[in-house]
Amino acid sequence: EPEVTQTPSHQVTQMGQEVILRCVPISNHLYFYWYRQILGQKVEFLVSFYNNEISEKSEIFDDQFSVERPDGSNFTLKIRSTKLEDSAMYFCASRNDNRGLNQPQHFGDGTRLSIL
Amino acid sequence: AQTVTQSQPEMSVQEAETVTLSCTYDTSENNYYLFWYKQPPSRQMILVIRQEAYKQQNATENRFSVNFQKAAKSFSLKISDSQLGDTAMYFCAFMLNSRLTFGEGTQLTVNP
Repeated sequence: EPEVTQTPSHQVTQMGQEVILRCVPISNHLYFYWYRQILGQKVEFLVSFYNNEISEKSEIFDDQFSVERPDGSNFTLKIRSTKLEDSAMYFCASRNDNRGLNQPQHFGDGTRLSIL
Repeated sequence: AQTVTQSQPEMSVQEAETVTLSCTYDTSENNYYLFWYKQPPSRQMILVIRQEAYKQQNATENRFSVNFQKAAKSFSLKISDSQLGDTAMYFCAFMLNSRLTFGEGTQLTVNP
């Protein structure tokens, strides 16, 4: 069964540095998402992406964050000038809308980001 | 804004028994979708079951079933014949316009 893949599985970065989290969505999916889960807390929506542009973003997704689909397969989340509170698990998800809005989002295994 | 509430931070059940996890949500919308996701210690997010709000029939997926009460805005998950591998954090999620809103999660432990 096709999967969403995320790399790296664990990223350790010094505070103030830039980090890029990478995702390869399922190949025929059209909608892409990033979510964040701070340790011990619930999963929070960051951003959704469709047709090469952001379709929705949360209040968390400020100017520090950006997303890009640089080629036909990768979907990246860039975090500039990282802060300690950016430490979290970051999940990528994708969804196929060919059969309507009820198609579930399929999640990758996550990237654990640790800011030192 | 939509909110999802899971009032049970932790639950435990004996292997082979049945357990029900509760979830309530708040929305003024009429057409939406509800999901339960499972997050084992490996921290993957795995879809367990989904329900369309316009369907009255409760969704069932093998040992997993839901009790969807639209008027009460309640969406509970029943796990029958619990197995050790069911031990995980369970998140209830609401989807509107493709954005998922998650509850706080319920940590379920299945005891041998």
